[in-house]
Amino acid sequence: DADVTQTPRNRITKTGKRIMLECSQTKGHDRMYWYRQDPGLGLRLIYYSFDVKDINKGEISDGYSVSRQAQAKFSLSLESAIPNQTALYFCATSDLAEGGYTFGSGTRLTVV
Amino acid sequence: GQSLEQPSEVTAVEGAIVQINCTYQTSGFYGLSWYQQHDGGAPTFLSYNALDGLEETGRFSSFLSRSDSYGYLLLQELQMKDSASYFCVGGAAGNKLTFGGGTRVLVKP
Repeated sequence: DADVTQTPRNRITKTGKRIMLECSQTKGHDRMYWYRQDPGLGLRLIYYSFDVKDINKGEISDGYSVSRQAQAKFSLSLESAIPNQTALYFCATSDLAEGGYTFGSGTRLTVV
Repeated sequence: GQSLEQPSEVTAVEGAIVQINCTYQTSGFYGLSWYQQHDGGAPTFLSYNALDGLEETGRFSSFLSRSDSYGYLLLQELQMKDSASYFCVGGAAGNKLTFGGGTRVLVKP
């Protein structure tokens, strides 16, 4: 099994719908992140969490919300999806002792 | 905030050497990382420079000069499988990362 698992892998949804992207990890890391990737723009941070009780906004949090249900689970919600939220979404975990991030395989979201 | 600049694309032949430069402007900077991403895949961690100097990991090396706000990734003995996008990534307090726009490396036979 992958260290960081994202579901679904692909999703097409309509404008105005609520959608949740899920992420779970088996690495035992406290720190979890959600990034979005658009062509030519690299990855941009949406939200991050350093433990179950800690949630922080990233650089592009508008239109998104998150929930840290457990150390291993961090979900991203789009309350009312819009077409410019069409992107590739990545969940990641990190541990200061190990260095580097471990990314999930990504969720390709299309809002029509 | 942070911003990192890197070339958008580099093309080279198998066996060649490629250097991807990265300049950055950042507050609270504490290190430069490099990630590789193949088309359709997830970014994977390559290297991390917390201090000035060269870090070598097999065919890949990474360099950092904090006084110049500059770093590079050196890919040696290029192989076809090295065709991918490479991101320089700035670290900041709280282990938050800021990604550059990525450099697409195309390796030709």
